[in-house]
Amino acid sequence: AQTVTQSQPEMSVQEAETVTLSCTYDTSESDYYLFWYKQPPSRQMILVIRQEAYKQQNATENRFSVNFQKAAKSFSLKISDSQLGDAAMYFCAYRSRSTGTASKLTFGTGTRLQVTL
Amino acid sequence: ETGVTQTPRHLVMGMTNKKSLKCEQHLGHNAMYWYKQSAKKPLELMFVYNFKEQTENNSVPSRFSPECPNSSHLFLHLHTLQPEDSALYLCASSQEGGGGYNEQFFGPGTRLTVL
Repeated sequence: AQTVTQSQPEMSVQEAETVTLSCTYDTSESDYYLFWYKQPPSRQMILVIRQEAYKQQNATENRFSVNFQKAAKSFSLKISDSQLGDAAMYFCAYRSRSTGTASKLTFGTGTRLQVTL
Repeated sequence: ETGVTQTPRHLVMGMTNKKSLKCEQHLGHNAMYWYKQSAKKPLELMFVYNFKEQTENNSVPSRFSPECPNSSHLFLHLHTLQPEDSALYLCASSQEGGGGYNEQFFGPGTRLTVL
């Protein structure tokens, strides 16, 4: 079974600075998807960024980018020019690409990000 | 309404009560999910429905009973719950088939407190 580990329960960053959230995972599969989800205090979980394991290029979405190291099974999230609205819980998630009846996500325990002035 | 909606947003119930959580997705997806979110624990997948058929039950106690009457609606019926069942219950949906990321879209959750 796959596992996802987020070793940083809490992180803090100053506004306009850059922060990196770490995520490692364990799998024996070679093709899969990785996601970062954000859950603000209102609790609606939203997708931040996604990466397919077979794509070597790191995904980027505006101020959010990932550092995907397949051999190391690492998938970190970098937030540049941090804003107050970035304060939230961030969850790393894994999904197998194996055919199945539905997409089952395996989540990490989350990292709470605080943004200070 | 857009996206995935859940009602009620907050629910307090006694251990002998029977209540239901409702989820509705307005995205035209064909798969729906129930998750349990407890503090300091990863989200726990409870049930998966694909084309209205239950395809996953992750050893969830029988006091939780899901129902999926159509691909847009998902219910979680609750009865004789325990205090340790207090948590945030999240509903999600996705479009399965055709390859691709099939990312899940989440509702705002129902905060359940069992007294």
